[in-house]
Amino acid sequence: EAQVTQNPRYLITVTGKKLTVTCSQNMNHEYMSWYRQDPGLGLRQIYYSMNVEVTDKGDVPEGYKVSRKEKRNFPLILESPSPNQTSLYFCASSLRGAGGAWGVAKNIQYFGAGTRLSVL
Amino acid sequence: SQELEQSPQSLIVQEGKNLTINCTSSKTLYGLYWYKQKYGEGLIFLMMLQKGGEEKSHEKITAKLDEKKQQSSLHITASQPSHAGIYLCGADIIGGATNKLIFGTGTLLAVQP
Repeated sequence: EAQVTQNPRYLITVTGKKLTVTCSQNMNHEYMSWYRQDPGLGLRQIYYSMNVEVTDKGDVPEGYKVSRKEKRNFPLILESPSPNQTSLYFCASSLRGAGGAWGVAKNIQYFGAGTRLSVL
Repeated sequence: SQELEQSPQSLIVQEGKNLTINCTSSKTLYGLYWYKQKYGEGLIFLMMLQKGGEEKSHEKITAKLDEKKQQSSLHITASQPSHAGIYLCGADIIGGATNKLIFGTGTLLAVQP
């Protein structure tokens, strides 16, 4: 079954304690992204990756790191979590990225089930 | 302000009623995607619209795209409790970063039996 798997689903931690949220996809997708979802702000992109060893910042990258050593995995790292990083996090993957005119954009992103993080 | 505005923000309907959710972009877009999210869970892809005037249907859900107005509508016919959830529109925008979808803040739909 084609899927994007995130772990853990729920995480409670304390300020400053490093954590990693894992993400894995089995669809051989090149593109992967991390989003956070907050009430009233919607989904915002944190980082994305276009392929192995190629990553770039999204809209809200501060306080986060990512790596893409293998095509299927795209972990999100919080080196020193703070309470303002309490959020619902989603990993997503897609076959291709955005770009181009009408008729060629096929940026269908497939999402994981989410990780609810609380930083105390 | 949001680049993608959804309306209404929330909606309560009686089972069997029809409803429409709108998504309007403030920027030129060239790909519009509808997703459904159950509370606290992941987003499920529903439909993608790629060109003006395009209309797609899946079961009782129909999505249309008005390219001139930069607007899409999602219409549910004869709503059922299984339709309840949060509906989000996402879009590729001209000049947007690779692999980035911008999202509306969502429309929360409740269907009363």
